[in-house]
Amino acid sequence: NAGVMQNPRHLVRRRGQEARLRCSPMKGHSHVYWYRQLPEEGLKFMVYLQKENIIDESGMPKERFSAEFPKEGPSILRIQQVVRGDSAAYFCASSEEGNIQYFGAGTRLSVL
Amino acid sequence: AQSVTQLDSQVPVFEEAPVELRCNYSSSVSVYLFWYVQYPNQGLQLLLKYLSGSTLVESINGFEAEFNKSQTSFHLRKPSVHISDTAEYFCAVIVTGANNLFFGTGTRLTVIP
Repeated sequence: NAGVMQNPRHLVRRRGQEARLRCSPMKGHSHVYWYRQLPEEGLKFMVYLQKENIIDESGMPKERFSAEFPKEGPSILRIQQVVRGDSAAYFCASSEEGNIQYFGAGTRLSVL
Repeated sequence: AQSVTQLDSQVPVFEEAPVELRCNYSSSVSVYLFWYVQYPNQGLQLLLKYLSGSTLVESINGFEAEFNKSQTSFHLRKPSVHISDTAEYFCAVIVTGANNLFFGTGTRLTVIP
């Protein structure tokens, strides 16, 4: 399957723990995007990365959230010291040069 | 700034009936338009897109959408729905040359047998 792969599909964390969400883009895609979907809302853009570079992080919360896309391996969205308000579905998308983004199945984060 | 409005949060419709899911957008610059579908507990799948050319675009499973620049709309239609069309449908726009999609809040289509 050459689609966008995200893992884990479900992640449960207690308040104060760290959450790491992984995303492997489609084969041949070098652009990765992270979106967050809060309950009963549409997706909201968080960050856009190319290999080893953060291009646009205008949608990222200023604290506790970080993202990387190393030269080798998947893109990682990291949330430190999670709070209940971080509970959401986090989706990753990838694209080639251009605007058509293909999405993964998402990671559903639950903070207890 | 860009925004996307999906006026109907829920649309129930009987099987084999026609359906229209409405989408309006606001942008002062040119955009590309998309419809994504999200089946229960799954990710988003690209349903159809408008980039340029013909304003009427079609998907492989019978959906179509028409870009209307004067009304800033991109409504999604299907002449006869099936049970398997039950899902959440998201309209999205991206400014040409920009990085991020702006999504509407979604429309939950429920097809009733």
